[in-house]
Amino acid sequence: ETGVTQTPRHLVMGMTNKKSLKCEQHLGHNAMYWYKQSAKKPLELMFVYSLEERVENNSVPSRFSPECPNSSHLFLHLHTLQPEDSALYLCASSQQTGLTYNEQFFGPGTRLTVL
Amino acid sequence: SQQGEEDPQALSIQEGENATMNCSYKTSINNLQWYRQNSGRGLVHLILIRSNEREKHSGRLRVTLDTSKKSSSLLITASRAADTASYFCATDSYSGGGADGLTFGKGTHLIIQP
Repeated sequence: ETGVTQTPRHLVMGMTNKKSLKCEQHLGHNAMYWYKQSAKKPLELMFVYSLEERVENNSVPSRFSPECPNSSHLFLHLHTLQPEDSALYLCASSQQTGLTYNEQFFGPGTRLTVL
Repeated sequence: SQQGEEDPQALSIQEGENATMNCSYKTSINNLQWYRQNSGRGLVHLILIRSNEREKHSGRLRVTLDTSKKSSSLLITASRAADTASYFCATDSYSGGGADGLTFGKGTHLIIQP
């Protein structure tokens, strides 16, 4: 395995639900990421946490709320989602050196369906 | 905005043949990376080439980078059925804000026919 785990692997939720996605990395990396992968669209970077500090991404709707309590764990809190938010959500980690983005290690993803 | 763009979008070849995929990008980069994704799963890092490198090898993989043309190619030699996957290029195009991260293309879907 890649050393990055994600739970749950599949999630079905209604538009009024609140749920959270969890990511854990066992690689000792100092940066973690959330990506959204929709059909026929490039992988979209949602959030970056470097040394547990979030790098702002103003293009992501506020119904997505990240949390990084320590360098090994990353959460994505979801509330009042829309059907178009259905996608594969991928977590990744890397050892960032300075301002260079090095190779990233991805988790298996959470397949989210919003009804 | 999309940085990396792979070409072709889909490629089907016979097992044993070589597969070549191309990636073009728009802005200056620190490095360019190639990833593989099997259907519905996470991405796996294949190779990273820095902006001051022109060619890199890893097993059956060969990556080239031409910064003057803002393009890269990934060659898989002696393809196997297990190479069937989507392949993505990603660029680290730090522009001073520190928030760009990696920018991925839409990918090339490679099918190896047995």
